[in-house]
Amino acid sequence: QVQLVQSGAEVKKPGASVKVSCKASGYTFTSYPISWVRQAPGQGLEWMGWISAYNGNTNYAQKLQDRVTMTTDTSTSTAYMEVRSLRSDDTAVYYCARVNRLREIFYFDFWGQGTLVTVSS
Amino acid sequence: DIQMTQSPSSLSASVGDRVTITCRASQSISSYLNWYQKKPGRAPKLLIYAASSLQSGVPSRFSGSGSGTDFTLTISSLQPEDFATYYCQQSYNTPRTFGQGTKVEIK
Repeated sequence: QVQLVQSGAEVKKPGASVKVSCKASGYTFTSYPISWVRQAPGQGLEWMGWISAYNGNTNYAQKLQDRVTMTTDTSTSTAYMEVRSLRSDDTAVYYCARVNRLREIFYFDFWGQGTLVTVSS
Repeated sequence: DIQMTQSPSSLSASVGDRVTITCRASQSISSYLNWYQKKPGRAPKLLIYAASSLQSGVPSRFSGSGSGTDFTLTISSLQPEDFATYYCQQSYNTPRTFGQGTKVEIK
């Protein structure tokens, strides 16, 4: 069965970086992109970007483009998402999700369990 | 960016009620619309993709309709496990914006 298992919770100081991992199993990793979505406390869902697990191409949300990097390691079927120069408003639960498609309509069909990142001095 | 606006922001309903949630896009997105259910402490769950296609394993009481700018998610008979927040999301272009969410609470 398809599973995405994320790394554990992190506490970081403002200005630091965090790297969250997402290990996939149960499907051919390179056949599906991975997207990252976050949810700040009491807020809605925010799309951060996605990465092709096939060729590493990325597309980031403009507001995060200067501070976020998404990568994959096909040898371990793991996706990574790094945020640099952390601020208090980066405090959120971060989710990875598998991107599936029907014709050209993309959707997120399987999700990781979420990783809480807390930014606090 | 395409703005997605859901209504209502919250609603109270009873078990067995028919519930309808609306999502409006700021421009036409054809059928590039997905619906997710989110419970506290749980990952989002895909319910409907491409406006009206039911994700495998999702109960048939959930249905989606619409195209262009106006979409609806309907729960035909609300069950106790359906109390959650529901989000629409467009996949017409990037950024893949979500609606602000509709919280379905117990009356």
